[in-house]
Amino acid sequence: EAQVTQNPRYLITVTGKKLTVTCSQNMNHEYMSWYRQDPGLGLRQIYYSMNVEVTDKGDVPEGYKVSRKEKRNFPLILESPSPNQTSLYFCASSFAEDTSYEQYFGPGTRLTVT
Amino acid sequence: DAKTTQPTSMDCAEGRAANLPCNHSTISGNEYVYWYRQIHSQGPQYIIHGLKNNETNEMASLIITEDRKSSTLILPHATLRDTAVYYCIVQAGAGSYQLTFGKGTKLSVIP
Repeated sequence: EAQVTQNPRYLITVTGKKLTVTCSQNMNHEYMSWYRQDPGLGLRQIYYSMNVEVTDKGDVPEGYKVSRKEKRNFPLILESPSPNQTSLYFCASSFAEDTSYEQYFGPGTRLTVT
Repeated sequence: DAKTTQPTSMDCAEGRAANLPCNHSTISGNEYVYWYRQIHSQGPQYIIHGLKNNETNEMASLIITEDRKSSTLILPHATLRDTAVYYCIVQAGAGSYQLTFGKGTKLSVIP
């Protein structure tokens, strides 16, 4: 089954404790990205990657890091989480072609930073 | 990218057609209209997209006006599982990867 998986689905952590949210897709997609969703602000893009070893900032990259060492994986790293990073996070992927219209989203990771 | 305007919320009776409007009066010639939906904090799900012509797939139909300044997503026979927030997104070109989500329309399908 074609899917985007995220782990963990729920995470409660404390300020400053480094964490990684994993994202993996099994569709051989070149493009992957991370969004965060906050009430009243909608979904905002954090980082994206057009292919292995190619990453770039989205609209709200501060406080986050990403890496793309393998095509299927795109982990989101919070080196020193703060309470304002409490949010619902989504990973998405798609083919990077002119005929690619559909993005596939993961189930989400609900992060709480206390 | 063009801005979209959608009603905040709509109700639809189960089994009836749900017609969700979207205004995008500043749309450019190379911008596509995409529709996604999000069911209760799940990941957004692609529904349909179009450029000029009306489109239909197994989930919905997309009607785009001739001047392309507005469009309507039609769910022909709404079910309770169609209750969700529906996002109309106008984005330049195919493969335009950064989707700009607005506030969307909260569709409630009522038994």
